[in-house]
Amino acid sequence: EVQLVESGGGLVQPKGSLKLSCAASGFDFNSYGMSWVRQAPGKGLDLVADISSKSYNYATYYADSVKDRFTISRDDSQSMVYLQMDNLKTEDTALYYCTVDEGTDYFDYWGQGVMVTVSS
Amino acid sequence: DIQMTQSPASLSASLEEIVTITCQASQDIGNWLAWYQQKPGKSPQLLIYDATSLADGVPSRFSGSRSGTQYSLKISRLQVEDIGSYYCQQAHSNPPTFGSGTKLEIK
Repeated sequence: EVQLVESGGGLVQPKGSLKLSCAASGFDFNSYGMSWVRQAPGKGLDLVADISSKSYNYATYYADSVKDRFTISRDDSQSMVYLQMDNLKTEDTALYYCTVDEGTDYFDYWGQGVMVTVSS
Repeated sequence: DIQMTQSPASLSASLEEIVTITCQASQDIGNWLAWYQQKPGKSPQLLIYDATSLADGVPSRFSGSRSGTQYSLKISRLQVEDIGSYYCQQAHSNPPTFGSGTKLEIK
């Protein structure tokens, strides 16, 4: 059974930092791309960042709204994916989901989400 | 980026009714389209991929279709457990983009 368990969310002040973690299990983690998708309260879904597998040289993508502020990384030995978020803004307030693309180019599985609130 | 225009934004329908949600792609995306269901308070789940293929465990009352750059999700007989929000997503070109969502309620 595929499991994605996010952690690390919370309340942070503007310009602060937070690091999200996602523990993955139940699939061949090393082989697939991982993504973070967020959902602001009452809003839709937005891809924040993704990272490919080693086979694709760990290529990364960032949404324009988070470029130069967020960094996605992965640790294949631990089946973990991370999202380092710096210089946070109030508009980054959202539920952040960890997702996996099992080679389909779709978001095949989603974690339960972790809430990030940016407020003074 | 490819824009996905989803409609309607909200929909109220009766049990057993046929429900249709549409997404219009801003350019050709072939069959590279998925639909996700998000039940209240839950994470999204993959419902349909490649425009017409049902994900594992999805009831047969759900179906997807394509006409050019317009894609449709159809629920043939609405059930209580179908309540929630639905999103389309294109996977033709990076970055993948989502439609704005449709909130489905029971009338």
